[in-house]
Amino acid sequence: AQSVAQPEDQVNVAEGNPLTVKCTYSVSGNPYLFWYVQYPNRGLQFLLKYITGDNLVKGSYGFEAEFNKSQTSFHLKKPSALVSDSALYFCAVRHTGGFKTIFGAGTRLFVKA
Amino acid sequence: DTEVTQTPKHLVMGMTNKKSLKCEQHMGHRAMYWYKQKAKKPPELMFVYSYEKLSINESVPSRFSPECPNSSLLNLHLHALQPEDSALYLCASSQGTGGFEAFFGQGTRLTVV
Repeated sequence: AQSVAQPEDQVNVAEGNPLTVKCTYSVSGNPYLFWYVQYPNRGLQFLLKYITGDNLVKGSYGFEAEFNKSQTSFHLKKPSALVSDSALYFCAVRHTGGFKTIFGAGTRLFVKA
Repeated sequence: DTEVTQTPKHLVMGMTNKKSLKCEQHMGHRAMYWYKQKAKKPPELMFVYSYEKLSINESVPSRFSPECPNSSLLNLHLHALQPEDSALYLCASSQGTGGFEAFFGQGTRLTVV
């Protein structure tokens, strides 16, 4: 069975500081991993994904994520946080060839000016 | 055009009403999805259509009836809903399954009274 864990309900960071939002996953075989962001009363927006290849993936708005197979993690990072990054972030996993995407519970990011 | 358009944005319906949610995309995507999202929770998959055929029904009650009239349109017909069905209903599409990211609409905020 597939599962995704986001261990932090909320992450607080000061503007200009680096941020990390954590994600661990469990899936049989090779996973496809995604990060999405959701602003209030909006749909989800795709940030980045890991399919194969380089473990460091770069995405939209300066975000990046590192795939670590041994730790089954896919943490989202950004070198310098902006107040506008404040939102709800979801990590998601899909099994190779599968239709179904499993989302983590979400992590709320607050960036303070 | 990289948008998924959902109508209406807001809907209030009584428990005896029949209504429909509509979703449209013109990106040539062949997979389309309905998700239900409760406040501060991750999206829950309801249905997946692939090449206009229903591929996944996540044991959704029959008061929700999906329809895919063509490759660009996805409907969700609602009948005899319960107050606990109040939620944000999200439509999404992707180029395919597996490693393709989903594009989400802004959602329909449904309130059942």
